Amino acid sequence: QKEVEQNSGPLSVPEGAIASLNCTYSDRVSQSFFWYRQYSGKSPELIMSIYSNGDKEDGRFTAQLNKASQYVSLLIRDSQPSDSATYLCAVLYTGTASKLTFGTGTRLQVTL
Amino acid sequence: ETGVTQSPTHLIKTRGQQVTLRCSSQSGHNTVSWYQQALGQGPQFIFQYYREEENGRGNFPPRFSGLQFPNYSSELNVNALELDDSALYLCASSYGRGGREQYFGPGTRLTVT
Repeated sequence: QKEVEQNSGPLSVPEGAIASLNCTYSDRVSQSFFWYRQYSGKSPELIMSIYSNGDKEDGRFTAQLNKASQYVSLLIRDSQPSDSATYLCAVLYTGTASKLTFGTGTRLQVTL
Repeated sequence: ETGVTQSPTHLIKTRGQQVTLRCSSQSGHNTVSWYQQALGQGPQFIFQYYREEENGRGNFPPRFSGLQFPNYSSELNVNALELDDSALYLCASSYGRGGREQYFGPGTRLTVT
């Protein structure tokens, strides 16, 4: 069974600090990886996608992928209280369907 | 550009009843995927439709069924509702059969009593 693992948290960081969120996955064939942000009571919002080894930066967000270690991470620089949410790691498996398998999410709390 | 929309927002049903949830895909997208998200869990893949045909299914029983229409909107039907069906139902749209980036609608919160 293909699995995606995340620490459920909560991860608490002070405002202005760097938040580091981690995710591991079980299937070496996986090629596409995503981070979604989900505020309480809302639907997931796609914030980052990464397809090749290394870093990908978009504003205050950096996604990191290491396929050899089957590890994906998300760094949030200059964390703001508005970043407080659950962050879902998702891995795309392409077979008959291109389906996302999600971790259970890491809850991030940015404190003042 | 119009985003993904879903209706209704909330729904309360009784065990044994049937329900239909609706989704309109983002403009330019022709693939719709449905997910179920229980409280405290990540979304679970139910099935996917591409150009009006089911393109793959997750580990859900046959009482979960769906349709996709020529305008790429979609329906999720659930028969014989059970208490465990209470969840947030999410529709995601993407482009192409192997479309990678999936964008979610606001979801339908279903409560089964």
